[in-house]
Amino acid sequence: QVQLQQSGAGLLKSSETLSLTCDVYGGSFSGYYWSWIRQPPGKGLEWIGEIDHSGSTNYNASLKSRVSISFDTSKNQFSLRLTSVTAADTAMYYCARSLGYCSTPTCDPLGYWGQGALVTVSS
Amino acid sequence: QSVLTQPPSASGTPGQRVTISCSGGNSNIARNYVFWYQQRPGTAPKLLFFGTDQRLSGVPDRFSVSKSGASGSLAISALRSEDEADYYCVTWDDSLSGPVFGGGTKLTVL
Repeated sequence: QVQLQQSGAGLLKSSETLSLTCDVYGGSFSGYYWSWIRQPPGKGLEWIGEIDHSGSTNYNASLKSRVSISFDTSKNQFSLRLTSVTAADTAMYYCARSLGYCSTPTCDPLGYWGQGALVTVSS
Repeated sequence: QSVLTQPPSASGTPGQRVTISCSGGNSNIARNYVFWYQQRPGTAPKLLFFGTDQRLSGVPDRFSVSKSGASGSLAISALRSEDEADYYCVTWDDSLSGPVFGGGTKLTVL
């Protein structure tokens, strides 16, 4: 059974860089899409971006200039970096893996999620 | 402002049927599958439906989905107290080249 375990939460100051990792247990990177999603307190979900098994990335246009997603297969983990954070980046951050239902992200939903990591940005 | 429009709230009494709508457009719902998630307080979203109307293992058959044109809907019949949660619709947007979420609907079981 696939499990995603997140780490790296905490308190940041404005202009600092957010770094989160997601450890993957029970599966390989091949054939899936690996995403980061965030949820500000009391609000809805926002997709941040994704990386596929070949290392190709796709980012939300609103965050593209500040975000980077990568993976390290030797450690079975993938990571999120978000630079120049502000209070607007305060949120619960989730990592997720596609279900494996089909071969493109257009039809393959996020089927497995990490437990979430709360990031608070203070000014 | 979410790309997909959901009612912010819905409610029903135990045993009733409730429907949650999700309205999109030609670049998203009209062209792609709609996925539905349930999120209980303090937990990660849980996928309920994918594909045309495929239910994840463990999702009660009281839950069903449908889609027509650029709109989708989630129906819950024989409502139970444990159905109380936030529900989100998600689909791929061809213009934005990424998934888009509805704003979420908070379901209250009275």
